Amino acid sequence: EAQVTQNPRYLITVTGKKLTVTCSQNMNHEYMSWYRQDPGLGLRQIYYSMNVEVTDKGDVPEGYKVSRKEKRNFPLILESPSPNQTSLYFCASSHVPGQEKLFFGSGTQLSVL
Amino acid sequence: QKEVEQDPGPLSVPEGAIVSLNCTYSNSAFQYFMWYRQYSRKGPELLMYTYSSGNKEDGRFTAQVDKSSKYISLFIRDSQPSDSATYLCAMSGGRGSSNTGKLIFGQGTTLQVKP
Repeated sequence: EAQVTQNPRYLITVTGKKLTVTCSQNMNHEYMSWYRQDPGLGLRQIYYSMNVEVTDKGDVPEGYKVSRKEKRNFPLILESPSPNQTSLYFCASSHVPGQEKLFFGSGTQLSVL
Repeated sequence: QKEVEQDPGPLSVPEGAIVSLNCTYSNSAFQYFMWYRQYSRKGPELLMYTYSSGNKEDGRFTAQVDKSSKYISLFIRDSQPSDSATYLCAMSGGRGSSNTGKLIFGQGTTLQVKP
């Protein structure tokens, strides 16, 4: 089954404790991206990757890191999480960077205390 | 001013009604226009996409893009309770543009279709 898999589904952590949210897709997609979703603000792009070893900032990259060492994986790293990073995070992928059809993961609900 | 504006609603309609959802935008470089549907606690799924101006129809759904007015719409005919969800518009510059890779979403409109 074609899918984007995010883990974990829920995560509660404390301020300053480094964490990684994993994202993997099995569709051989070139393009992958991370979003956060907050009430009243909609979906905002954090980082995206056009291909392996190619990443770029979205609209809200501060406090986040990403890497794309393999085509299928695109982890999101929070080196020192803060409470304002409490949010619902989505990973997505697409066959081509025009993004006509994004496949989204099921989301990761992160709470930073 | 946000690049993409979307009324968050909520919008409540009776079953069978025609629903109109809209977004306005400010960046004339946008070429691809998409509508995503998001059920509660799920990831968004692509519903419709349109390149440049014009209409596109798929079953009960029609997407319209008016680039001259920087306005896009999604119409749902014969709405069903299963259409109850949040609808997000999204836009991008598409391949070859200086913004390739960047996708901007509206904040989403929550729709409830009552039986």
